[in-house]
Amino acid sequence: AQSVTQPDIHITVSEGASLELRCNYSYGATPYLFWYVQSPGQGLQLLLKYFSGDTLVQGIKGFEAEFKRSQSSFNLRKPSVHWSDAAEYFCAVGAGWDTDKLIFGTGTRLQVFP
Amino acid sequence: EAGVAQSPRYKIIEKRQSVAFWCNPISGHATLYWYQQILGQGPKLLIQFQNNGVVDDSQLPKDRFSAERLKGVDSTLKIQPAKLEDSAVYLCASSSDRNNEQFFGPGTRLTVL
Repeated sequence: AQSVTQPDIHITVSEGASLELRCNYSYGATPYLFWYVQSPGQGLQLLLKYFSGDTLVQGIKGFEAEFKRSQSSFNLRKPSVHWSDAAEYFCAVGAGWDTDKLIFGTGTRLQVFP
Repeated sequence: EAGVAQSPRYKIIEKRQSVAFWCNPISGHATLYWYQQILGQGPKLLIQFQNNGVVDDSQLPKDRFSAERLKGVDSTLKIQPAKLEDSAVYLCASSSDRNNEQFFGPGTRLTVL
């Protein structure tokens, strides 16, 4: 069965520092992968997605993610974090032929210090 | 363009009571999803509609949960009777079609005492 692991529950970084959030997936075939962000009291917003092609994916708000099949990973990166990036980040995999049946990881809470 | 609307935003009930949540998707979106997000976990899909038909309800606890999407627009999710473990945020999402981007509403936070 498909699954997603986000090993870091909570990450703290200083504003302006670089960021990498880890995501590992378990799936037998080529996965469809997503990163969502959830700010307090708000719904989830799609940051970026990978379906096929270039393994380095650019998203909104200056985020990017790299698909590494050999490591079953889809880590999210940002070169310089802003205070407004503080939120919860979820990695998700599209299950099987129905890419819209999303299986989410448990999330990583990002805290940004000035 | 208006986003996905949900109401109420917060609800507190006692166990064994019933509760209903309402979702209005983005205009024209054919696909509607209900997710349950328990504290400390990622969202879990409960039910998916395509227009007014159910595509997937395999993870919906049908002994107590029900959902409908009359006329293929608004949707209602009901819990009857509620249990303590139903305390969660219930998220509604919609997309223009299956496998397109899902847009999420702000959610309804349910507390069962």
